[in-house]
Amino acid sequence: DTAVSQTPKYLVTQMGNDKSIKCEQNLGHDTMYWYKQDSKKFLKIMFSYNNKELIINETVPNRFSPKSPDKAHLNLHINSLELGDSAVYFCASSQPSAGDTQYFGPGTRLTVL
Amino acid sequence: AQKITQTQPGMFVQEKEAVTLDCTYDTSDPSYGLFWYKQPSSGEMIFLIYQGSYDQQNATEGRYSLNFQKARKSANLVISASQLGDSAMYFCAIILTGGGNKLTFGTGTQLKVEL
Repeated sequence: DTAVSQTPKYLVTQMGNDKSIKCEQNLGHDTMYWYKQDSKKFLKIMFSYNNKELIINETVPNRFSPKSPDKAHLNLHINSLELGDSAVYFCASSQPSAGDTQYFGPGTRLTVL
Repeated sequence: AQKITQTQPGMFVQEKEAVTLDCTYDTSDPSYGLFWYKQPSSGEMIFLIYQGSYDQQNATEGRYSLNFQKARKSANLVISASQLGDSAMYFCAIILTGGGNKLTFGTGTQLKVEL
């Protein structure tokens, strides 16, 4: 009964490639997020979608494009990968009427070589 | 803009003892929520406890309690009766009500529980 799931868990790729990370939540939440955790463990929000509509878009390079086909899914596509994109990417979801507590997926460790 | 400060990069505690992890925050917004998350070495982010800015009582969840001192803008996490499994990175975070649900995290405190 996984609440927030992400695939893949690990992603190793070459510079310049394009890759996608998928996220699904079965909590019935309206809002989903992408966070990036860098090598120093600092977590920063990238995007937020509420019911398929983009509501937060932090200063992220436009090589990163989120897509939400429905409110249970939020995917992250990254074009022209760079070394600095290596990080752990977390998906999360919340229901604003329930105190805004965000529940995180297991994370995807992206390594760009 | 809101900010979270965690001044303890690392902490040690003996098993069965209590430990306090410090967190201070900065916001001019009167309505906000404070969270603590645990990140064990396996990497997942686990929600521990939540405190709303208008909550009159300190939040508690099992062995976790949040020492909320609004005037001092502090939201320290207290873990009672520490266990070896409590060894992890702990993050404090703030969310502004009506601020687009953006969680702003501190830099984390690495807690090590020793025998």
